[in-house]
Amino acid sequence: AQSVTQPDIHITVSEGASLELRCNYSYGATPYLFWYVQSPGQGLQLLLKYFSGDTLVQGIKGFEAEFKRSQSSFNLRKPSVHWSDAAEYFCAVGGNFNKFYFGSGTKLNVKP
Amino acid sequence: DGGITQSPKYLFRKEGQNVTLSCEQNLNHDAMYWYRQDPGQGLRLIYYSQIVNDFQKGDIAEGYSVSREKKESFPLTVTSAQKNPTAFYLCASSINVVIQGSNQPQHFGDGTRLSIL
Repeated sequence: AQSVTQPDIHITVSEGASLELRCNYSYGATPYLFWYVQSPGQGLQLLLKYFSGDTLVQGIKGFEAEFKRSQSSFNLRKPSVHWSDAAEYFCAVGGNFNKFYFGSGTKLNVKP
Repeated sequence: DGGITQSPKYLFRKEGQNVTLSCEQNLNHDAMYWYRQDPGQGLRLIYYSQIVNDFQKGDIAEGYSVSREKKESFPLTVTSAQKNPTAFYLCASSINVVIQGSNQPQHFGDGTRLSIL
């Protein structure tokens, strides 16, 4: 069965520091993987997606993610965090009939 | 601009009352989805529809009902049978998946927060 684990519930980083949010998935076939961001009281916005090919994918707002099949991971990274990046981040894996399975989310706080 | 509109943004339900959450999209997407979001639990799928006049139960369909009479609309009714309806509800849509084993990104509305009076 498909599932997604985001081990970190909360992360705090200083503005300008680098960021890595962890995501581990469980899926029998080649996964389709997604990262979304959610600001308080808002819907989810797609940051990036992995379908196939290059294992390092670039997204919006300066984010990137690396697919590592051997580790069943799809970690999200950003070299330099901005205060506006404070939000909740969700990793998802796509299943049959385009049903998505979401992780429980990681809340990012950014210290000035 | 194309997008997904959910209304109302805030909704209050009395005991024993059914309430309906609206979801409209003008993205010309065939597939639509309803999720429930609770703190610390991520998003859980309630119902989804891949085409007009057809829909399937998701993981937590009990106490909810939907209809899909138009491509643009996918309303969710929270019935009195749903004993713990307080949550944030998100509607999403996507291009229909025609190749088995593939996926398309889902696009989300801004949600409806439902509370009990």
